[in-house]
Amino acid sequence: QKEVEQDPGPLSVPEGAIVSLNCTYSNSAFQYFMWYRQYSRKGPELLMYTYSSGNKEDGRFTAQVDKSSKYISLFIRDSQPSDSATYLCAMSLNTNAGKSTFGDGTTLTVKP
Amino acid sequence: NAGVTQTPKFRILKIGQSMTLQCTQDMNHNYMYWYRQDPGMGLKLIYYSVGAGITDKGEVPNGYNVSRSTTEDFPLRLELAAPSQTSVYFCASNGRGSNEKLFFGSGTQLSVL
Repeated sequence: QKEVEQDPGPLSVPEGAIVSLNCTYSNSAFQYFMWYRQYSRKGPELLMYTYSSGNKEDGRFTAQVDKSSKYISLFIRDSQPSDSATYLCAMSLNTNAGKSTFGDGTTLTVKP
Repeated sequence: NAGVTQTPKFRILKIGQSMTLQCTQDMNHNYMYWYRQDPGMGLKLIYYSVGAGITDKGEVPNGYNVSRSTTEDFPLRLELAAPSQTSVYFCASNGRGSNEKLFFGSGTQLSVL
């Protein structure tokens, strides 16, 4: 069993929809949780970075962490065609973001 | 500001050939990393470096070597390429504190035939 499991997708939604992207994990020692966006043929780009349980909001994006359930989510409000990308969750044991364990990614398409 | 630059963007190798993937960053970052990403999969850490002259293995180091002679450069060497090394390779860096934001290059797509 993988340490980090991500909803496989692909996911296709109409423009303006609310999108929910989800990951579960098995290692309760993970402390830091990240979401990356990766456009086709590009490197990942950090979207959200959270520590411990709770919600963090940045514009149309909200990251949610539930450590008791070992579950994290990324919500995208008012989704736009420019949000079409692969979204990767990642989590680390300590502050070294470079040594994170990554999910396999969920590919999202937002249709105009 | 170029950020993290990787070359080449694409390469086809024959089994048994060797090559070096280049990675340069201009942000004066101490920490640098090499990952591979297989189709439909997340990133796996190959090697990382915490500063010039210091490197360490990641999750999947077999078949690869690295060096870090300068702060800016972190080349990845493939010796005796195998089909299992067909992947997209990403270099990344981050700053003084390793929890700082990771900056990724745009990747090198490698096929070994």
